[in-house]
Amino acid sequence: DGGITQSPKYLFRKEGQNVTLSCEQNLNHDAMYWYRQDPGQGLRLIYYSQIVNDFQKGDIAEGYSVSREKKESFPLTVTSAQKNPTAFYLCASGRDGSNQPQHFGDGTRLSIL
Amino acid sequence: DAKTTQPPSMDCAEGRAANLPCNHSTISGNEYVYWYRQIHSQGPQYIIHGLKNNETNEMASLIITEDRKSSTLILPHATLRDTAVYYCIVRPTNTNAGKSTFGDGTTLTVKP
Repeated sequence: DGGITQSPKYLFRKEGQNVTLSCEQNLNHDAMYWYRQDPGQGLRLIYYSQIVNDFQKGDIAEGYSVSREKKESFPLTVTSAQKNPTAFYLCASGRDGSNQPQHFGDGTRLSIL
Repeated sequence: DAKTTQPPSMDCAEGRAANLPCNHSTISGNEYVYWYRQIHSQGPQYIIHGLKNNETNEMASLIITEDRKSSTLILPHATLRDTAVYYCIVRPTNTNAGKSTFGDGTTLTVKP
């Protein structure tokens, strides 16, 4: 079945450590997105990519980095510069354009040890 | 980017219609209104979207006012499984289609 796969489902980070969250899609979508969700709040855009080898900062990009080397994959690295990384991270993909819905993965929950 | 305003919470009786309002008074002419819902600890699920005309699919109906400044999502016969957070968002024009803003949404509780 086509869809978006995020892994791992739960992730723990030590202080000063970088961690990478995986997002893979087999929907042949050009655009991919990363969102952060804090408890009881909506989604905030971290980064998005509308085409391979290109990506744009969202509203809260500081302390995060991404790459888009393949159409299917859009990994997110939470760096040690992100001082409050504990959150629920959601990846989405879609055909580019304002008339196209986004499809979301089931998220990765990141916690600090 | 156009912002949306939704009530923080609503209740609905099982089997009745759930009407969820959304204000988007700064929407521009070529921006779509989208609705998603999120069940706890899962990714948001797409429900429906529209530009000017009312839309209906197997999940819901979307009513957009003539001036496009507000819309209503209608779940015609709510079930307990419809309990979720519902997000109304506006998708910006094509060059910034990625920069959708999700507010805090409306928590809908369907009660037996």
